[in-house]
Amino acid sequence: DAKTTQPNSMESNEEEPVHLPCNHSTISGTDYIHWYRQLPSQGPEYVIHGLTSNVNNRMASLAIAEDRKSSTLILHRATLRDAAVYYCILQRGTGGTSYGKLTFGQGTILTVHP
Amino acid sequence: DAGVIQSPRHEVTEMGQEVTLRCKPISGHNSLFWYRQTMMRGLELLIYFNNNVPIDDSGMPEDRFSAKMPNASFSTLKIQPSEPRDSAVYFCAASRYNEQFFGPGTRLTVL
Repeated sequence: DAKTTQPNSMESNEEEPVHLPCNHSTISGTDYIHWYRQLPSQGPEYVIHGLTSNVNNRMASLAIAEDRKSSTLILHRATLRDAAVYYCILQRGTGGTSYGKLTFGQGTILTVHP
Repeated sequence: DAGVIQSPRHEVTEMGQEVTLRCKPISGHNSLFWYRQTMMRGLELLIYFNNNVPIDDSGMPEDRFSAKMPNASFSTLKIQPSEPRDSAVYFCAASRYNEQFFGPGTRLTVL
């Protein structure tokens, strides 16, 4: 499986934008880029995913580099509830759909200051 | 929809005992995943099923672990015999397309 590299931790202030980077230089053409987050004492929660184009949803935006070797998860206005571990994961896709298997790394611990 | 349901939420047992963890996935979500999370190893995929059929069990640590999915609405993960190093939080997740929905987890402590 292709690997991802994320900073161990990041800090932000409440109501400010947060840009969480992820490097995935060995990504293959069929790999989808997924982001999940895990709040304290909870199971992981899906945030967003994409293949080539930038994506937006109600939680966040995903900016994917043109060569797909890196991506950035953007939280437009951080809140205290966004404090969590954020995981960037590559998921093998076939036939236009994700294949299912996720391999979690260590993720980025995001701290949000009031 | 109640989401993925796991039981029990907490389990404390003694070494050598059999432990059975249960998962009820979301209706219509035909892929089911079992994960284990520890401080040392992070979140690891143990096994996953597609349409009730085990697809990849390469993450199952050893023969003491077994998982079944007898129908689309129920799965079990069994550890027999349990050991202290099995202490972890075990998550079940369900998926229909791209997104996996995780349950609240079962915190297992083996004394």
